[in-house]
Amino acid sequence: GAVVSQHPSWVICKSGTSVKIECRSLDFQATTMFWYRQFPKQSLMLMATSNEGSKATYEQGVEKDKFLINHASLTLSTLTVTSAHPEDSSFYICSARDVVTNEKLFFGSGTQLSVL
Amino acid sequence: QKEVEQDPGPLSVPEGAIVSLNCTYSNSAFQYFMWYRQYSRKGPELLMYTYSSGNKEDGRFTAQVDKSSKYISLFIRDSQPSDSATYLCAMSGRAAGNKLTFGGGTRVLVKP
Repeated sequence: GAVVSQHPSWVICKSGTSVKIECRSLDFQATTMFWYRQFPKQSLMLMATSNEGSKATYEQGVEKDKFLINHASLTLSTLTVTSAHPEDSSFYICSARDVVTNEKLFFGSGTQLSVL
Repeated sequence: QKEVEQDPGPLSVPEGAIVSLNCTYSNSAFQYFMWYRQYSRKGPELLMYTYSSGNKEDGRFTAQVDKSSKYISLFIRDSQPSDSATYLCAMSGRAAGNKLTFGGGTRVLVKP
């Protein structure tokens, strides 16, 4: 299957700082990337849909000024958690939709964020 | 009521047994159906992908879709301890906004 690379795999930061997470599709082009959040023993919660070259679409209840998303190319999307607080601690996962099939979704390995 | 219902488990089976997983859904606009496997603290891995109703087999995995009953299944034959993971069903459709809707996941434990 296609490969989606996500970095870093885990990060610890102080409250009030910003953290950037990168998501790259390595062997395919992705016009659309998705960012999810997952709490322990729960399913994935869609945060936002990122389209290359345009503004991201956020799900209800997700603060767009707190979770900045940039999708500058067909292979790279970034999520920046600004002014992080302990309640932002979670597992964040990106996914990318293959342009060719347009329905298969491939996931990154996830980023565990811990805010102290 | 959730759009996609999935029993959370855990489902515990002995090694070699058949694992049977299923999801029900309410949105008739779903056309694409997927099963993902997720190990703890890892991203989901796409196992099976099917379009509309029917069966699909890939190695030890068989996926079934019954759109008339709004019911999908995943069977794992000859289960191994390495199959222990959480299995997520997911579905999408152009008429459903093209977003992937997940079930809550079923935790599977295969005991040696």
